[in-house]
Amino acid sequence: GNSVTQMEGPVTLSEEAFLTINCTYTATGYPSLFWYVQYPGEGLQLLLKATKADDKGSNKGFEATYRKETTSFHLEKGSVQVSDSAVYFCALRSYGNKLVFGAGTILRVKS
Amino acid sequence: EAGVAQSPRYKIIEKRQSVAFWCNPISGHATLYWYQQILGQGPKLLIQFQNNGVVDDSQLPKDRFSAERLKGVDSTLKIQPAKLEDSAVYLCATHGQGHRYGTGELFFGEGSRLTVL
Repeated sequence: GNSVTQMEGPVTLSEEAFLTINCTYTATGYPSLFWYVQYPGEGLQLLLKATKADDKGSNKGFEATYRKETTSFHLEKGSVQVSDSAVYFCALRSYGNKLVFGAGTILRVKS
Repeated sequence: EAGVAQSPRYKIIEKRQSVAFWCNPISGHATLYWYQQILGQGPKLLIQFQNNGVVDDSQLPKDRFSAERLKGVDSTLKIQPAKLEDSAVYLCATHGQGHRYGTGELFFGEGSRLTVL
């Protein structure tokens, strides 16, 4: 079946450090891929998405590129801020427009 | 536009008791999902509605969980009787028709946190 694997956290970085959160997937065909973010006390919200191979999704300084060769969709940001502290979820769109999520990665950014 | 509303935000009950969660979707959003998020795990789909019909409830533990979406708007998720392993955050998510349908972008509520003692 379809599944998503994320790197385990928590990831702790200093402000302005480079961020990478790894995400790989297993799926039939070429699903759309997503990163959702959950800030403390808030609901999940879409951060970025990519719908086909080699697409790059970007938002708020975050980027992720859909790599079908490595079945990956790693999240990157060049310079993190304290306000980026949150839980990040990688997800794929399965049949019937259902999302399958990874376990989530906690990011903590220190000032 | 107003977001997805859920209540209650927090609920503590003892095992074998019952509990109900309510979700009010974004106006006009036809598709509604309930997800269960256990601490340290990603959300897992319980049930999907299209208007007031069930599209997929294959992951819903039907011996204790039930959900309905009368009139295709608000939805309730009920657990009876609750078990310790039901402790989780219950998330409601919706998306509508039109240009965004099929993009997979879901709009989530803040969730209802259930603790079963």
